[in-house]
Amino acid sequence: KQEVTQIPAALSVPEGENLVLNCSFTDSAIYNLQWFRQDPGKGLTSLLLIQSSQREQTSGRLNASLDKSSGRSTLYIAASQPGDSATYLCAASSGGSYIPTFGRGTSLIVHP
Amino acid sequence: DVKVTQSSRYLVKRTGEKVFLECVQDMDHENMFWYRQDPGLGLRLIYFSYDVKMKEKGDIPEGYSVSREKKERFSLILESASTNQTSMYLCASSQSYGYTFGSGTRLTVV
Repeated sequence: KQEVTQIPAALSVPEGENLVLNCSFTDSAIYNLQWFRQDPGKGLTSLLLIQSSQREQTSGRLNASLDKSSGRSTLYIAASQPGDSATYLCAASSGGSYIPTFGRGTSLIVHP
Repeated sequence: DVKVTQSSRYLVKRTGEKVFLECVQDMDHENMFWYRQDPGLGLRLIYFSYDVKMKEKGDIPEGYSVSREKKERFSLILESASTNQTSMYLCASSQSYGYTFGSGTRLTVV
């Protein structure tokens, strides 16, 4: 059974820092991996989706990488801003199932 | 822009009431899902559906049922609401390109 872990659970950084959020998964036979952002009291917003054949995806200041052999994905946020403060979740789909396994998320605070 | 719409952002219901949470997607997705999210427990899958009139139990189906009469609509039903069903409920749909979530319904049962 797939297990997804996100470390750290919480992170506080000053504005302008480049930062990396980590996501690890136990079953390397993943179909895809998706990163989401969740603001307090809101739903999840999709940020990036990496298919199993891809190594990375980029959108603006965000870059997500996928290393299936090591069971890891990272979300890189460049030049962080206070508006980036949110919880970031990753989700891995594996074993031919379209039902992903979610991590518990990393709560990010970017302070001015 | 593609959308998953949940009919209510906030709901307050009384213990024992029958509660309907509605979810509509405009992406012609086959698969639809209901999750609940609680602090410290993460996202937990309640029910999902991979086709009209089809439904499958997720990890925590007890106390819930679902209905999918049309492809675009997936309803979550709390047969007799209880206080331990106070939670954030999230609907999602998917096809090959990952999940799209609705904005969530914060349900409080008093």
